[in-house]
Amino acid sequence: GESVGLHLPTLSVQEGDNSIINCAYSNSASDYFIWYKQESGKGPQFIIDIRSNMDKRQGQRVTVLLNKTVKHLSLQIAATQPGDSAVYFCAEMYGNKLVFGAGTILRVKS
Amino acid sequence: DAGVIQSPRHEVTEMGQEVTLRCKPISGHNSLFWYRQTMMRGLELLIYFNNNVPIDDSGMPEDRFSAKMPNASFSTLKIQPSEPRDSAVYFCASRPDRGLYFGPGTRLTVT
Repeated sequence: GESVGLHLPTLSVQEGDNSIINCAYSNSASDYFIWYKQESGKGPQFIIDIRSNMDKRQGQRVTVLLNKTVKHLSLQIAATQPGDSAVYFCAEMYGNKLVFGAGTILRVKS
Repeated sequence: DAGVIQSPRHEVTEMGQEVTLRCKPISGHNSLFWYRQTMMRGLELLIYFNNNVPIDDSGMPEDRFSAKMPNASFSTLKIQPSEPRDSAVYFCASRPDRGLYFGPGTRLTVT
């Protein structure tokens, strides 16, 4: 029979533009969050993390925003490059368990 | 640092056979996790260890799956007997104080 996979949202951006990838997490007790990038055929790669006592954290070209009131996390990528094309996952940690969201496909158009 | 090492990278086996996946975590990381990734279900946590002790195996699908961590530098995930629905990419990841670092995965195909 035909298999039905996860339907991942896709974000298409022009090279050089900024990208914003959003994520809703499920557990209000989660105290640590991580964004991952996964390229085809590779394992998830750590991008940036944030603890629940912060609402913003910046890295190189990336910023993570956390809104605990509405359980929302976002990843901003500045000056998006073709090499940023990948699937991006947010993950929430409670206790020692890291649980992943479904992911968002980022496509960068040159 | 070589990162998390997994072997084999690809495994093709027939239904009913035993499959053993191997993982070497990053030295000094005290937690190790096994995940499975499929198109249907995304990334699922199967089991994790802390200081070589299994802490939570509630994600292990059924008794056909077992995992061990005999020492801080080695873990195995075994499927016996394997079934076609076990076909997936299996990731091992290890954790220091913050972050979780993944290996390249083992792509398992059960025919």
